Amino acid sequence: AQKITQTQPGMFVQEKEAVTLDCTYDTSDPSYGLFWYKQPSSGEMIFLIYQGSYDQQNATEGRYSLNFQKARKSANLVISASQLGDSAMYFCAMKPLYGGSQGNLIFGKGTKLSVKP
Amino acid sequence: EAQVTQNPRYLITVTGKKLTVTCSQNMNHEYMSWYRQDPGLGLRQIYYSMNVEVTDKGDVPEGYKVSRKEKRNFPLILESPSPNQTSLYFCASSSNGIAYEQFFGPGTRLTVL
Repeated sequence: AQKITQTQPGMFVQEKEAVTLDCTYDTSDPSYGLFWYKQPSSGEMIFLIYQGSYDQQNATEGRYSLNFQKARKSANLVISASQLGDSAMYFCAMKPLYGGSQGNLIFGKGTKLSVKP
Repeated sequence: EAQVTQNPRYLITVTGKKLTVTCSQNMNHEYMSWYRQDPGLGLRQIYYSMNVEVTDKGDVPEGYKVSRKEKRNFPLILESPSPNQTSLYFCASSSNGIAYEQFFGPGTRLTVL
């Protein structure tokens, strides 16, 4: 069975510093995609970054990068130069890329990030 | 504007009274899905649909029904709501294919008394 684990229920980071949000996963699918979403206090879900299991390089999107370590089954999100607006819940998610269950997106329980001024 | 819309945004109802939460997307996406979000549990998938007339169960389908008669609409039906279905519900859509992120609706906060 697929599973996403986010071990940090809450984290604090000083403004302008970098922060790493942990995500480990478990799957038997040979090909899968990993996603990170941000949920601010207003409630909407905002897509941040994607990493495919077959990708050779770590994904980057602006201040967001994904530290993908396939052998360790980890997909940590790194936010550089934190801003006050980064305060939010962050969810890691995974889905198989092929096969009958490719629609089954599994989420972790989330990490609440608070950025201190 | 490309978007996923849900209605209603807020709903308070009583146990056993059938209700439908509508979801519509204007991006011609093949894939649509419903999630519920509960404190400390993250988002859990209820049902998803890879295309018209194709639906499948997610992780927590009990007590819910869906239909996909048109590409743009994917309503969530609670035939006999119970208090344990009090939750925040999200509809999402995406193109089929690898690497496509899901676009989420604004959410529907449901309270069942």
